[in-house]
Amino acid sequence: KNQVEQSPQSLIILEGKNCTLQCNYTVSPFSNLRWYKQDTGRGPVSLTIMTFSENTKSNGRYTATLDADTKQSSLHITASQLSDSASYICVVSAIASGGSYIPTFGRGTSLIVHP
Amino acid sequence: AAGVIQSPRHLIKEKRETATLKCYPIPRHDTVYWYQQGPGQDPQFLISFYEKMQSDKGSIPDRFSAQQFSDYHSELNMSSLELGDSALYFCASSSYRPLRESSYNEQFFGPGTRLTVL
Repeated sequence: KNQVEQSPQSLIILEGKNCTLQCNYTVSPFSNLRWYKQDTGRGPVSLTIMTFSENTKSNGRYTATLDADTKQSSLHITASQLSDSASYICVVSAIASGGSYIPTFGRGTSLIVHP
Repeated sequence: AAGVIQSPRHLIKEKRETATLKCYPIPRHDTVYWYQQGPGQDPQFLISFYEKMQSDKGSIPDRFSAQQFSDYHSELNMSSLELGDSALYFCASSSYRPLRESSYNEQFFGPGTRLTVL
């Protein structure tokens, strides 16, 4: 069964600090891994997407890493801002036999940035 | 534990017909999200509701409408169906917590409804 586990469940940090969110997965056959940022009640916003051959991808203050061997990914946020307070969801897609993508959603990490 | 329920799980319609997808959130969850995942694509956010009011709108076509009812279940109504509407439609639910008041906002996804338009 495909699974995506994220840790920690929640995280509180002070503005300006860095933090790292973790995503472990057992999804096969692997297609890609996305990190989303989602504000409560709002749609997710894609931060990064990585395929099997990529091991790091940056988007501003967000840097995602992927270790396909250990099936782990991390999202590092640098110099956090109050607006970074949100849920961060890891989504890993598998390739179905028909060529479509089957996503497995992590349960998210809730990040709160305090002033 | 109860999960998000979607019905039907599979639906086949013809072009120009209408379809209604239903989502039953986890008990005591007050926020519902709808996503569309086309063949070979990542899920796209369509629309969300909080306490029966629309809270955010994504790439939902004008032919689609949705609402959340008093029991918090939600329905996605799709009219004048087109071949391109064939997709997997996910619903997710969560319990609204302002991030500054609570440390956790978990979103639970349903199994999806596979819509095929012929």
